[in-house]
Order: sequence, then C-alpha cells, then structure tokens
Amino acid sequence: GAVVSQHPSWVICKSGTSVKIECRSLDFQATTMFWYRQFPKQSLMLMATSNEGSKATYEQGVEKDKFLINHASLTLSTLTVTSAHPEDSSFYICSARDRGTKNNYGYTFGSGTRLTVV
Amino acid sequence: GQNIDQPTEMTATEGAIVQINCTYQTSGFNGLFWYQQHAGEAPTFLSYNVLDGLEEKGRFSSFLSRSKGYSYLLLKELQMKDSASYLCAVRANYGGATNKLIFGTGTLLAVQP
Repeated sequence: GAVVSQHPSWVICKSGTSVKIECRSLDFQATTMFWYRQFPKQSLMLMATSNEGSKATYEQGVEKDKFLINHASLTLSTLTVTSAHPEDSSFYICSARDRGTKNNYGYTFGSGTRLTVV
Repeated sequence: GQNIDQPTEMTATEGAIVQINCTYQTSGFNGLFWYQQHAGEAPTFLSYNVLDGLEEKGRFSSFLSRSKGYSYLLLKELQMKDSASYLCAVRANYGGATNKLIFGTGTLLAVQP
C-alpha cells in the first residue's frame, strides 16, 4: 500500500531556531500534501495545503512566514518551523493525497513528528 | 467556517456496542471519513461515506445523513484494544483548494473490562 515517510519522528530544539520536517511519498505521487498540527488531547488542525510546484494555501490564523512549506516535487514536501518558540511544541503530521483513490480513499498519513521547543 | 463536533469522551464495556456521533456544518462537502488514532501515532482509516446510508465493515459501521449533517460510527463487540481516539473528518472544497480533510474535535473512547 501507499506509504508516506515522515522525518524526524521527534526533535528537540532551542527557542529561536528553525526546524525542518520532511514527508516523502515512497510509492506514489503526492499531488497534494496537507500539514496538520495536533496539541495534546486535541484533534488534528489543518495548517496548510500544498500542491506540487505551487504556493501553499494556509488556513485562517496560520502564519505563512512562520510555517514555511515547500512542495518542490511529487514525492517530497517539507514544513519548516522558523524561529520556534515553546508554544510551537506540538505533534506535526502530514497527509499526502494520491492521484488515484485506491489507497485509503486517497489520503495517506505520515507517522508524525513530535516537536519540543525548549 | 467549518464546524465538526463530536463528544469529547465516552466509556463503554468490553463486548458491548458503542455509537460515536459526529455533526458537521461545512461548505463544499465531499465525503466523510472516520479514523482511529492512538496517542502519538498517525490516524488509521476506518471508513468512508459519501452517499447517505450505512457502510458496514466487520465490527465497524458508519452512517451518513447529508441532509442532517450527521454521521455516526458504530463499534460492535468492543475489545480493550479499541480504546483510542476516534476522529470524524469531512472532505471539503473551499478556500481555493479542493479535497481538504478537516477533522472534528475527536472522541476519546475508553473500553472497560
């Protein structure tokens, strides 16, 4: 089945630094990548939608200059948290949309990245 | 805006049946998903409804009424391993993008012996 590899699985960084999270679709072409954030005991909140080769579309209230998204190829999308602060500590997870609909009706999730900013 | 509501927590007994409800108010509705999620892990796909009615899949069934903006997930013969969060998610087209997957508030289910 479809697999999305997300790295790193966890990261600890100092306040003020930037962190890059990668999601790679291993055996399919991800035309669209969705990025979510999940705080403890809460649900997934959609941050942005990116299509290969174009600018990401951000949800209301999400700072596009702080959460940089790049989707340069059909198999790789990255999320960079710039100038991270402790309030950015969260579980970040990507979901890739397949061209077809055979795999989980077209949505395959990465395994998530636990970001802790100290 | 997009509004998807679920009960925050539910408790049920092993071997019993539990129904988790989801109500939604969204623009550009294009299908509804149910996922299971254990803490710190990715969501796991359970079911998908795009037309009204019941979809059955083993111990899990999901129902959709588009006119009422309502869905439920039915879990039968509950097992301890079913203790997890259950997420309702709506696929919607809005804000210049298509097929966004918007998640509800999530329901934490605790199965007791």
